[in-house]
Amino acid sequence: DAEITQSPRHKITETGRQVTLACHQTWNHNNMFWYRQDLGHGLRLIHYSYGVHDTNKGEVSDGYSVSRSNTEDLPLTLESAASSQTSVYFCASSEAGTGGNEQFFGPGTRLTVL
Amino acid sequence: GNSVTQMEGPVTLSEEAFLTINCTYTATGYPSLFWYVQYPGEGLQLLLKATKADDKGSNKGFEATYRKETTSFHLEKGSVQVSDSAVYFCALSASGGSYIPTFGRGTSLIVHP
Repeated sequence: DAEITQSPRHKITETGRQVTLACHQTWNHNNMFWYRQDLGHGLRLIHYSYGVHDTNKGEVSDGYSVSRSNTEDLPLTLESAASSQTSVYFCASSEAGTGGNEQFFGPGTRLTVL
Repeated sequence: GNSVTQMEGPVTLSEEAFLTINCTYTATGYPSLFWYVQYPGEGLQLLLKATKADDKGSNKGFEATYRKETTSFHLEKGSVQVSDSAVYFCALSASGGSYIPTFGRGTSLIVHP
């Protein structure tokens, strides 16, 4: 069965370190997204991609970067981790086509920045 | 721009009670509407969707009807179970162009035995 996976599931790091969160999907979807989920803020979009070599900033992109070298993967990098980036991160994917397509979410990565 | 407003939680119910979670939206054109559910420690998963006015989405005993005249997509279930305890998100996806959905803030549902 097709799926979307994230690793690691839990990560503790220190302020200033670079961190990369992995996202891998086997749906063969063109669209991939990264969100963060925080109490009181719901889901906020960090970056998204509509295909290989395409990346775009979302509403909370400062301090984060992504790259898309193939269809299956969209890793999220925190260049210099800050305590404000402690959060739960979700990767999602969807088919290209009409806007009526659902998003498929990964299980999430809980990141703690000390 | 597009927006989704859903009722604040938590919603606390006893098992077998009737559930309604209100959702209203603002969008141009004819968006598709979704309800996602997030169980503890998991990612969101699609619960149901409707792609045009008057469509009813249904799954696992949950229903929602796309009401264009009231710009609403309220989630209902006739008899909730403890296993329905989760966070429910209403979302819309605009017709044409962007594939970025707009999510509501989420409503936590707690069902007691």
